[in-house]
Amino acid sequence: NAGVMQNPRHLVRRRGQEARLRCSPMKGHSHVYWYRQLPEEGLKFMVYLQKENIIDESGMPKERFSAEFPKEGPSILRIQQVVRGDSAAYFCASSPPRTGTAKNIQYFGAGTRLSVL
Amino acid sequence: GQNIDQPTEMTATEGAIVQINCTYQTSGFNGLFWYQQHAGEAPTFLSYNVLDGLEEKGRFSSFLSRSKGYSYLLLKELQMKDSASYLCAVKIGRGSTLGRLYFGRGTQLTVWP
Repeated sequence: NAGVMQNPRHLVRRRGQEARLRCSPMKGHSHVYWYRQLPEEGLKFMVYLQKENIIDESGMPKERFSAEFPKEGPSILRIQQVVRGDSAAYFCASSPPRTGTAKNIQYFGAGTRLSVL
Repeated sequence: GQNIDQPTEMTATEGAIVQINCTYQTSGFNGLFWYQQHAGEAPTFLSYNVLDGLEEKGRFSSFLSRSKGYSYLLLKELQMKDSASYLCAVKIGRGSTLGRLYFGRGTQLTVWP
């Protein structure tokens, strides 16, 4: 059973370009979460999605950032007009359908390292 | 806001025991997780506590005191491969916000031979 797959592992963009980060959840998982990790800082929650629905996007910047999790295909985190401050590691996690308990473990991918020149 | 504190760095020798502490100040607590993260790799799940007490899983144990806002991760019989960053994360909220985890900055553990 493959884990959470993220691609690309490394992405280099120039200021003003667009970055598209992809995440395929574990098989059977219907919940996806995106986190951002800046150097020397902890993982910061960005957005929580289920298939075709954004459940909680309160951690996502209001401008330039968007996320989707379509019925078919991977979840996409899209950053338009990237700036140097967007350079970070972006991690995706997935969890199985909610069982009514809070445990619902999140399993992480290896991340995409975005560098903005 | 939410506040989660853990030491930045710790060192220990092979075969020893190390305890990594985590304190938190949050509202709407719904469980505490520990993850291990090797450099450049995915955080991997180690343990989960939602009730007070000790959870043991092989060489790793995790403890929680909700009244004190305190947890620790105990690693026994340390091995070189245990050198990694250990992340404390708290789940809070109800309803639509129940999914999010709040992470500390991580504790970088170095195990010496």
